[in-house]
Order: sequence, then structure tokens, then C-alpha cells
Amino acid sequence: RKEVEQDPGPFNVPEGATVAFNCTYSNSASQSFFWYRQDCRKEPKLLMSVYSSGNEDGRFTAQLNRASQYISLLIRDSKLSDSATYLCVGLSGGYQKVTFGTGTKLQVIP
Amino acid sequence: DTAVSQTPKYLVTQMGNDKSIKCEQNLGHDTMYWYKQDSKKFLKIMFSYNNKELIINETVPNRFSPKSPDKAHLNLHINSLELGDSAVYFCASSQYDVTDTQYFGPGTRLTVL
Repeated sequence: RKEVEQDPGPFNVPEGATVAFNCTYSNSASQSFFWYRQDCRKEPKLLMSVYSSGNEDGRFTAQLNRASQYISLLIRDSKLSDSATYLCVGLSGGYQKVTFGTGTKLQVIP
Repeated sequence: DTAVSQTPKYLVTQMGNDKSIKCEQNLGHDTMYWYKQDSKKFLKIMFSYNNKELIINETVPNRFSPKSPDKAHLNLHINSLELGDSAVYFCASSQYDVTDTQYFGPGTRLTVL
């Protein structure tokens, strides 16, 4: 089993829709998590960190469920510009191990 | 000004050749990284340097050798290139360590023929 797993998608959603992605992790000792966004043929960019208490940044909400070992990303009121691949990242091994998921592709359609 | 820059952007070469990719960051960050993203878009960390010291060294062939002349630069040298080395290589940096936001360079698309 991969350390960090994501549904590759694509998730095709209409503008204005709410969409949620999950990312499961296998290492219960994983310490920190992040969501990065990668546009086609571009570099990844940090979207948001994932805090234990959950956190929100505008239309984006990230949550961590340690009991079930997954993190989630909720996007409300989807915009065309949200179309991208969303990568979840886990840190473990005393922050010596950085593991990226394979990404979930989101396509927002007009 | 580009925060993390890489050169070259594209690299096409023959099997067996030796090549280098350069990376520079002007953010004053302490930690730099090299990642490989293969054709299936899987992004995997290769190396991480903190203040010129190697701190993460994932299982990569020893044909790959990172070199950090100073904390603003982390170059990647690859010997005896193989077809499977074809990928996009991303350099990144973060302020102190892996818990900080990583800023990625634009990537170097390596094609080995």
C-alpha cells in the first residue's frame, strides 16, 4: 500500500459546485500534512497546510482525521481557475520523510 | 524576480551521457530539495540539503549526485543517463525545514533518447 493515496480522478464538476477530495495515509506516525496545487505543466504550489483542528482559507477547507487516517480538501463555489491537480503531502519519520500523493485532477466546467 | 530558478528548462540527451541541472534560490532559505516527477505525475523527493548539509537522501541510484556550493544553490549531476531517467526534475526550497512551505522551481524536463 502506498504511504499516501489519492483518487486520481478526474473530478469533473460544474462551476459553483462544491467538491471534496480525500487523501489516505498509511503511516499512523505521520506528523504534518499539506495540500499543494499543480497546474498542467507547471510547478506545485502550496495551497494550504492541514491542522489537526481543521482550517479554512476562503473557499477552501482542509481537515485531518487521525482516527481514520485521512485528510480532506473541500472546495466551495468552484471556479474555472480551480481546475488543477491537487496533491496531498505527508511528513513522517521525524520530518525526515516527505511523501507526495499522486494527485487528484479537478476539472471545473462552465 | 524568480524565487527559485532552474536551468536548463529542457534537456534532451543520449543514453550514457552525463548532465547537470542547476538550481538557485534568492529567498534566503536554508533548505533546498530535488524532486523527480515521472510520466505518471508521481512526485518523489530525491534529496534535501539544509545549509549545504545533506539531510534527506532517498533511495536513488548513485548516478545522481547533488552538490551544494552554498545554501542558495543545489545542483544535480547525473552520470550515465538511462531511459528511465526521463522525467521532470523540480528543485524547491523552504525557509528552515520540510515543515515550511516549499517553493518550487519551474522544472527541468529531461528526455533521454
